[in-house]
Amino acid sequence: DADVTQTPRNRITKTGKRIMLECSQTKGHDRMYWYRQDPGLGLRLIYYSFDVKDINKGEISDGYSVSRQAQAKFSLSLESAIPNQTALYFCATSDSPGTGNSGYTFGSGTRLTVV
Amino acid sequence: GENVEQHPSTLSVQEGDSAVIKCTYSDSASNYFPWYKQELGKRPQLIIDIRSNVGEKKDQRIAVTLNKTAKHFSLHITETQPEDSAVYFCAAKEEWGAQKLVFGQGTRLTINP
Repeated sequence: DADVTQTPRNRITKTGKRIMLECSQTKGHDRMYWYRQDPGLGLRLIYYSFDVKDINKGEISDGYSVSRQAQAKFSLSLESAIPNQTALYFCATSDSPGTGNSGYTFGSGTRLTVV
Repeated sequence: GENVEQHPSTLSVQEGDSAVIKCTYSDSASNYFPWYKQELGKRPQLIIDIRSNVGEKKDQRIAVTLNKTAKHFSLHITETQPEDSAVYFCAAKEEWGAQKLVFGQGTRLTINP
């Protein structure tokens, strides 16, 4: 089945370390997103990309960067991890407008702990 | 930009009763409103959605209503079952404009046997 895959599933890292979270998809979607989930705050958008040459900041992009290596791959990097970046991170994909399918498909998530 | 508020943050109902979760949005240009269910330790999954040209949509025991004038929409679950226990998120976006979903804060629904 077409899906969205995130690696790693869990990661513990130390303050100040650089870490990359990876997302790949087989759904053939052009649009990819990175969200962060914190209790009581819902899902907040970090970065999004509508195609390989398009990168946009979301509402909480500070401290993060992204790379869209191919249509199917979208990576999130924490250049120098800090404890308040401890959270559950989700990658998501969506189809283009006009296809009638506007919903997101989420990956299984990466639980990141910064100590 | 869009802002979505969701209430209540927690909801506990008896099995068989109905549950209602409400959301308000701020951007009148938003025209697509999905609801996601997230079971413990799992990814959010789309359960129902509605577009602004429709006032209500049903799918078996779940329904969503939309009031464009008041800028609010609600999820209704009838005849609740233990497997309905989860966190539910509402969201909104402008399909042809900003095109990115803004989520509510989530509602933890517990169904008591």
